[in-house]
Amino acid sequence: NAGVTQTPKFQVLKTGQSMTLQCAQDMNHEYMSWYRQDPGMGLRLIHYSVGAGITDQGEVPNGYNVSRSTTEDFPLRLLSAAPSQTSVYFCASSWGQGIEQYFGPGTRLTVT
Amino acid sequence: TQLLEQSPQFLSIQEGENLTVYCNSSSVFSSLQWYRQEPGEGPVLLVTVVTGGEVKKLKRLTFQFGDARKDSSLHITAAQPGDTGLYLCAGANDYKLSFGAGTTVTVRA
Repeated sequence: NAGVTQTPKFQVLKTGQSMTLQCAQDMNHEYMSWYRQDPGMGLRLIHYSVGAGITDQGEVPNGYNVSRSTTEDFPLRLLSAAPSQTSVYFCASSWGQGIEQYFGPGTRLTVT
Repeated sequence: TQLLEQSPQFLSIQEGENLTVYCNSSSVFSSLQWYRQEPGEGPVLLVTVVTGGEVKKLKRLTFQFGDARKDSSLHITAAQPGDTGLYLCAGANDYKLSFGAGTTVTVRA
């Protein structure tokens, strides 16, 4: 079991560029989510999905898109990168609400 | 505005001392989770508390959920350098987890 995997580990983008952060899990979890972590602000929910084909917005969704075509994969797309999106991004999965979330190792993104 | 307020933000203690981290909110949660995160890694779950007034022990760590299910505390007895890390509390409602900003704990040998 690889658990939750994320790629890339590090990424530098220029303002205005787009990219996709990849997330995959092999635990057959229905629930997946994306968070960003900034100093002094904890983890903030960007988007989440309760199953294939179903996604919803979290606390800070602006500038990000997601899709969930399979149970395993939950990519996060940055449409037009901005310096305010410089952060560490974590993908997580779980069996459902209120249950342990398994986090990936994170992607450190810098937008210049 | 943070839904969950953690205090203190930073804590540095000597090996063998005790410490307590607090997690407070004005909201009621169906459950509350505590995670520990080490540098360069994702958070890892320590415990989930569900019932108001619940106390759970995990070796030297004691977790308490407030009677009204709005607050929680984490107490570490005889802290060791291996306890060093970022401690995060998270309240669960619906399909969402709301995280506190975290408490950075440093245990000096």
